[in-house]
Amino acid sequence: EAQVTQNPRYLITVTGKKLTVTCSQNMNHEYMSWYRQDPGLGLRQIYYSMNVEVTDKGDVPEGYKVSRKEKRNFPLILESPSPNQTSLYFCASSVGTGYGYTFGSGTRLTVV
Amino acid sequence: EDQVTQSPEALRLQEGESSSLNCSYTVSGLRGLFWYRQDPGKGPEFLYTLYSAGEEKEKERLKATLTKKESFLHITAPKPEDSATYLCAVQADSNYQLIWGAGTKLIIKP
Repeated sequence: EAQVTQNPRYLITVTGKKLTVTCSQNMNHEYMSWYRQDPGLGLRQIYYSMNVEVTDKGDVPEGYKVSRKEKRNFPLILESPSPNQTSLYFCASSVGTGYGYTFGSGTRLTVV
Repeated sequence: EDQVTQSPEALRLQEGESSSLNCSYTVSGLRGLFWYRQDPGKGPEFLYTLYSAGEEKEKERLKATLTKKESFLHITAPKPEDSATYLCAVQADSNYQLIWGAGTKLIIKP
């Protein structure tokens, strides 16, 4: 089944403890992206990647890191999480620009 | 500035009562306009891409249309399972990023 897989689905952590949210797609998509979704603010892009080893900042990149060492994987790293990073996170992938995205099921992160 | 505005914020309909959702956009050169459906706590599900004014696409009870300034998502004889938030996004020629609307929450009562 064609899909984007995120792990974990739920995560509660403490301020300052480094964490990684994994994202993997099995569709050979070139383009991958991370979003966060907050009530009243909608979907906001954190980082995106046009291809392997090519990443760029989205609208809200502060406090996040990404890497794209393989085409299928695009992990999101929070080096020192803070409570304002409590949110619902989505990974998405696409064949390329001008095409619809396939989204993962989401990771609900709580930072206390 | 490129932007997307969806209306209404919420729409309550009786089962079988047809209506339309609106997505108004301002973008300097449209690469594509996208419609997604999102259920609570889940990732958005891709519905359509529209590329040029006059284009229409249908899927079951939904039909999307596009003009140079806006897109409509028409829902015909909706069922309770059509209840969801519908998101609209545009992509400009000059930018790879999507610009997202805030969504319309659709509630269909049996």
